[in-house]
Amino acid sequence: QQQVKQSPQSLIVQKGGISIINCAYENTAFDYFPWYQQFPGKGPALLIAIRPDVSEKKEGRFTISFNKSAKQFSLHIMDSQPGDSATYFCAARGAGGTSYGKLTFGQGTILTVHP
Amino acid sequence: GAGVSQSPRYKVAKRGQDVALRCDPISGHVSLFWYQQALGQGPEFLTYFQNEAQLDKSGLPSDRFFAERPEGSVSTLKIQRTQQEDSAVYLCASTPVEGANTEAFFGQGTRLTVV
Repeated sequence: QQQVKQSPQSLIVQKGGISIINCAYENTAFDYFPWYQQFPGKGPALLIAIRPDVSEKKEGRFTISFNKSAKQFSLHIMDSQPGDSATYFCAARGAGGTSYGKLTFGQGTILTVHP
Repeated sequence: GAGVSQSPRYKVAKRGQDVALRCDPISGHVSLFWYQQALGQGPEFLTYFQNEAQLDKSGLPSDRFFAERPEGSVSTLKIQRTQQEDSAVYLCASTPVEGANTEAFFGQGTRLTVV
């Protein structure tokens, strides 16, 4: 069952524009929501993460907005650059019990930033 | 090495062949995860080790999949009698402690192609 749904599947933006990727989750037992960036042939690398007691977190050009009541969170990339072109995955980490911190990933968004 | 190392990077197997995929986690990392990433999809959880103990293998798709971490460091994922549907990238990730708010570090993955 798909517990984390991500959209859009692909996104094309112009250099300097804002990229927005959205995720929704179903399981309220998640305690940590990271975003991963993956380049072709590489493993996912942590970009930014948020805990559910915070509504927004900003690191440089990257911002996560979190809406706990709606069970939704989004990644905003400001001033998008061609070097940001990659696949982005949202994820949610299980809390306690037998979750062991395993991650449930969204389906991914292929971002292309045109120069 | 400084990161999670996986080998081989690429593996082509004939259907029915057995394969073994290796993961060297970051030294001292307690938790180790295996994920399977099908083409165009997000990674999906396979199994979890805390030191040498395999605490969760609920994501293994069939009894042809077997994982071990006998000394609590290097882990091997073995697939017996490979099938075409096993073609995917197999990712290994490690974290310093179990269940804490710490980043999961991913290796580059092993791309398995079953022909």
